[in-house]
Amino acid sequence: DAKTTQPTSMDCAEGRAANLPCNHSTISGNEYVYWYRQIHSQGPQYIIHGLKNNETNEMASLIITEDRKSSTLILPHATLRDTAVYYCIVRVTFEAAGNKLTFGGGTRVLVKP
Amino acid sequence: NAGVTQTPKFRILKIGQSMTLQCTQDMNHNYMYWYRQDPGMGLKLIYYSVGAGITDKGEVPNGYNVSRSTTEDFPLRLELAAPSQTSVYFCASSPNPGTAGANTGELFFGEGSRLTVL
Repeated sequence: DAKTTQPTSMDCAEGRAANLPCNHSTISGNEYVYWYRQIHSQGPQYIIHGLKNNETNEMASLIITEDRKSSTLILPHATLRDTAVYYCIVRVTFEAAGNKLTFGGGTRVLVKP
Repeated sequence: NAGVTQTPKFRILKIGQSMTLQCTQDMNHNYMYWYRQDPGMGLKLIYYSVGAGITDKGEVPNGYNVSRSTTEDFPLRLELAAPSQTSVYFCASSPNPGTAGANTGELFFGEGSRLTVL
């Protein structure tokens, strides 16, 4: 699976959009971009995933560049409950990988009042 | 619907002791996983299973054993506990490809089991 690079930490203001970058310059054509978050030692929680089109759900939006070498997770209106570690994961298709996920260090996001 | 349930939540072991971390899921998922997370680090895959009777090693399997006799249960066994195994252990499951709700590839995690080996 392709390696990802994320900033170690970032702060954002409550009520503002939080933009979390992720670089995955070695991504292959059949690899998806996944985002999970982990709130204070709880089990990780799935946020969103995409292949090449931008995606949106009730939690966040995922913007993938045209060359697919980077992506941005957008939390549209950050709340204090969004304080967490956010993991960007790149992975081959479900069937080929046994659906395994490889976690890096993630970005520690602190939402401030 | 309980999801993924792990027991115990906390445990202190002495060096050389053995124990089993229990994991059960009630979502009829074929795929199950054990991860460990050391302080300030990401999760590392220990073992995984794609169905009853089938298990495979992950990134850090040494010192651990697993079994998968039923779809619901995936216990993790530590035979000779060492201080290096002090960690938080997470069990997860996901539906197999082609089943309803499987298209996201989402993993569902338990709340974790915090193990300290002294």
